[in-house]
Amino acid sequence: QKEVEQNSGPLSVPEGAIASLNCTYSDRGSQSFFWYRQYSGKSPELIMFIYSNGDKEDGRFTAQLNKASQYVSLLIRDSQPSDSATYLCAVGGYQKVTFGTGTKLQVIP
Amino acid sequence: SAVISQKPSRDICQRGTSLTIQCQVDSQVTMMFWYRQQPGQSLTLIATANQGSEATYESGFVIDKFPISRPNLTFSTLTVSNMSPEDSSIYLCSVALLAGGPAYEQYFGPGTRLTVT
Repeated sequence: QKEVEQNSGPLSVPEGAIASLNCTYSDRGSQSFFWYRQYSGKSPELIMFIYSNGDKEDGRFTAQLNKASQYVSLLIRDSQPSDSATYLCAVGGYQKVTFGTGTKLQVIP
Repeated sequence: SAVISQKPSRDICQRGTSLTIQCQVDSQVTMMFWYRQQPGQSLTLIATANQGSEATYESGFVIDKFPISRPNLTFSTLTVSNMSPEDSSIYLCSVALLAGGPAYEQYFGPGTRLTVT
């Protein structure tokens, strides 16, 4: 069983729509949850982190965490073509994290 | 965050040779990691580079194949030894920083794209 699971996609959304990216994890002791964006040929870039149950908003991005369901999601409002990338979910303890395989997002103009 | 540089950015190497990748950070950091990302795959942790002591390797990675140095808190090297085409990958250095939350957040260097022929 994979420790961090994501749908590989591609997830296609029209420009201006809300993109919803999902991630589940197996380790109930996980404390930290991150979303990274990776453009093709580039290294991952940290865009959001969340530690507590509930929602956390940062600009167009909202991270949602439900520890009881072992589920974390990322919502991107008003999606733009520049949001087209692979989004990696990372789950960890205090120091190290485990990455999911990523979801490829395509925003269609 | 931190500014992280890696050298070389890419290289093409012959099988059986070795390549050393350098990672430089613009500030002192305790925790540095080396990852591998094979084409179309996610990131796999190779090892944690410990300053002043031997690196801590993840399952499936050994020191003879991936020796790591960490002479100080701003610099580390990863060597890919006796390379084979299966080592073709992107190698990424990362640092972990406490940035206000209860856990460390990781930031990545630009990566080294290695092709072994």
